[in-house]
Amino acid sequence: ETGVTQTPRHLVMGMTNKKSLKCEQHLGHNAMYWYKQSAKKPLELMFVYNFKEQTENNSVPSRFSPECPNSSHLFLHLHTLQPEDSALYLCASSQDTRGRRPGYTFGSGTRLTVV
Amino acid sequence: QKEVEQNSGPLSVPEGAIASLNCTYSDRGSQSFFWYRQYSGKSPELIMFIYSNGDKEDGRFTAQLNKASQYVSLLIRDSQPSDSATYLCAVISKEYGNKLVFGAGTILRVKS
Repeated sequence: ETGVTQTPRHLVMGMTNKKSLKCEQHLGHNAMYWYKQSAKKPLELMFVYNFKEQTENNSVPSRFSPECPNSSHLFLHLHTLQPEDSALYLCASSQDTRGRRPGYTFGSGTRLTVV
Repeated sequence: QKEVEQNSGPLSVPEGAIASLNCTYSDRGSQSFFWYRQYSGKSPELIMFIYSNGDKEDGRFTAQLNKASQYVSLLIRDSQPSDSATYLCAVISKEYGNKLVFGAGTILRVKS
């Protein structure tokens, strides 16, 4: 257990479905991140939240919609996804977004399959 | 040029040997460098970080940083089959707003 919990661990959804991924951290961190990991590709940063405010959206399609109600919880709402969106979605947290401290802690990820 | 480049491997070493994993990065302003280990189907786990030029040792792991050459490496001494995993190099990049930028990873296989 890393202190960052993601649910569900696995998700299969149709292209017309709406689902949400959840992330919760118990580390007292102030920054939370969504990463996408596809096979043989680097982790792609999707969204960054610092003190509940979204500070970065890396040109992510609008079918992915993040929500951060407080510093401990982060959601990723999914709708009308495409098969190429199938990937491992990782949540991470850190003390803040100033970067230097090695505080990126990852959750176990959600393995998403879009059919 | 990719921000962080790694040889995808797989790198195969016999048990007990030294595994050497390499990484280059493009942002000269980068100050912080990390190595994560990721087992198949699991999340990345931080194993080493280094800020200054030179070597940093932690148990069987040694991180080496050469900022002039924009090169960071990870040495694993006395490699064990349990070290078999994908090793991700990551850099805090000023170009990307001080966010952690990852390489695609090197697959390491330690054969017993």
